[in-house]
Amino acid sequence: GAGVSQSPSNKVTEKGKDVELRCDPISGHTALYWYRQSLGQGLEFLIYFQGNSAPDKSGLPSDRFSAERTGGSVSTLTIQRTQQEDSAVYLCASSRTGGTSYEQYFGPGTRLTVT
Amino acid sequence: DQQVKQNSPSLSVQEGRISILNCDYTNSMFDYFLWYKKYPAEGPTFLISISSIKDKNEDGRFTVFLNKSAKHLSLHIVPSQPGDSAVYFCAAKYDRGSTLGRLYFGRGTQLTVWP
Repeated sequence: GAGVSQSPSNKVTEKGKDVELRCDPISGHTALYWYRQSLGQGLEFLIYFQGNSAPDKSGLPSDRFSAERTGGSVSTLTIQRTQQEDSAVYLCASSRTGGTSYEQYFGPGTRLTVT
Repeated sequence: DQQVKQNSPSLSVQEGRISILNCDYTNSMFDYFLWYKKYPAEGPTFLISISSIKDKNEDGRFTVFLNKSAKHLSLHIVPSQPGDSAVYFCAAKYDRGSTLGRLYFGRGTQLTVWP
């Protein structure tokens, strides 16, 4: 079956531009997560969606970052006025639910480079 | 504040020998621990997990040990194979209200298995 897909796979943008990153989770998965991995760092939690509940936005690094999940499926992570420190691999993951024992399946990521 | 730490950025092991990857954590509320493997240009893939009520979980060549009193876990791979060469991430989670499902990751250990 289809796994988590993300688009684009690579994005190069100029400082100050806005970017949108897309995530298609596994069908039927109610939980969706965004993480990012900067060079030499571990995966950093950004935001979490679970069903119709209010998202956990506690990991978003600034108000330039926002995310939506439409219809409980596809999610878009938007970064406004990009800065060079936003350069990272942005990873999306989904799981059947947010409970402890449910494994998160990751997409291949979007590599964002801000020049 | 790094709540999950992998202090060895790299490990090199000969094929057929045992690989031991270590992970320490600081948050005593963590109740579930996972290991993910990541190849270049791919998202992390789930490898093995352990609940805090256990001290060992085994799956084929992979065994995870948990020492709660020391807040330490380790992943043993035996025998190691060249295809195991990847970055291994330790992750932890706890289910308390808004943190439900969120994973806390270490920075990863690059394992190289040479013939």
